Amino acid sequence: EPEVTQTPSHQVTQMGQEVILRCVPISNHLYFYWYRQILGQKVEFLVSFYNNEISEKSEIFDDQFSVERPDGSNFTLKIRSTKLEDSAMYFCASSATGLAALTGELFFGEGSRLTVL
Amino acid sequence: KQEVTQIPAALSVPEGENLVLNCSFTDSAIYNLQWFRQDPGKGLTSLLLIQSSQREQTSGRLNASLDKSSGRSTLYIAASQPGDSATYLCAVRPHGQNFVFGPGTRLSVLP
Repeated sequence: EPEVTQTPSHQVTQMGQEVILRCVPISNHLYFYWYRQILGQKVEFLVSFYNNEISEKSEIFDDQFSVERPDGSNFTLKIRSTKLEDSAMYFCASSATGLAALTGELFFGEGSRLTVL
Repeated sequence: KQEVTQIPAALSVPEGENLVLNCSFTDSAIYNLQWFRQDPGKGLTSLLLIQSSQREQTSGRLNASLDKSSGRSTLYIAASQPGDSATYLCAVRPHGQNFVFGPGTRLSVLP
C-alpha cells in the first residue's frame, strides 16, 4: 500500500542550527502538507503546497521556515535557525486532491522527531 | 475560528466492550471530517473520512457519524480489542482553512 515516508525519524540539533526534514509523498498525490505536534499538544497545521508553491500557511510558519520540492519525489521542510520551542514531531502529509474535494483524504507519514538542545 | 474538542480525554474499557468517542466542532461550515488513530510516538493513520453531505461511514468494526448542524461526530468501536489501544483524533476541514485537529481521546482496552 502506498505510504508517505519521512526522514530522519529523529534528529537532535543545537539551538541556532539549520535542520532539513525530508518527505516522500504518495506518488500520484498533488497536495503536500507539513504539520507539527509538540509533545502533549494538538496537531497543528504549518503549511500546504501545491503546484510548486505555498497555498496556505499558518502563523507558526514564519520566516524561519521554508518548504521546497527539489525534485519530482521529495518535499522538504527547512528550519533556518532552530529554537528550543521548535522541538516537536513534524508530520508530512499528502492528498490526491484538494481538501475541499470529495476525495480530499489526508495521508500522514510516521513523523520526524526534532529535539533542539 | 474553528475549535475542535473531544470527550472523553481518556477512556479505559475491558476487552469486548462497544464504545463511543465524541468530537465536537464550533463551526458547521466544513468540507469534511476525518478520524485518525495515533500510536505512541508514531504517525497518524487515517480511519474514516466523512464528507459534509454524508451522515456516516463504516469500516470493519468502526462506524463514524456526522451531524454537521449540531457540530458533532462520533466514532463507534464495536467489540473492542487490546490492539485498539491508541489515541484517536478527529480533524475537521473548515471552509477557508486547513484541517483543525482535536486534542484526542486516549483509549486503553484491557485484556
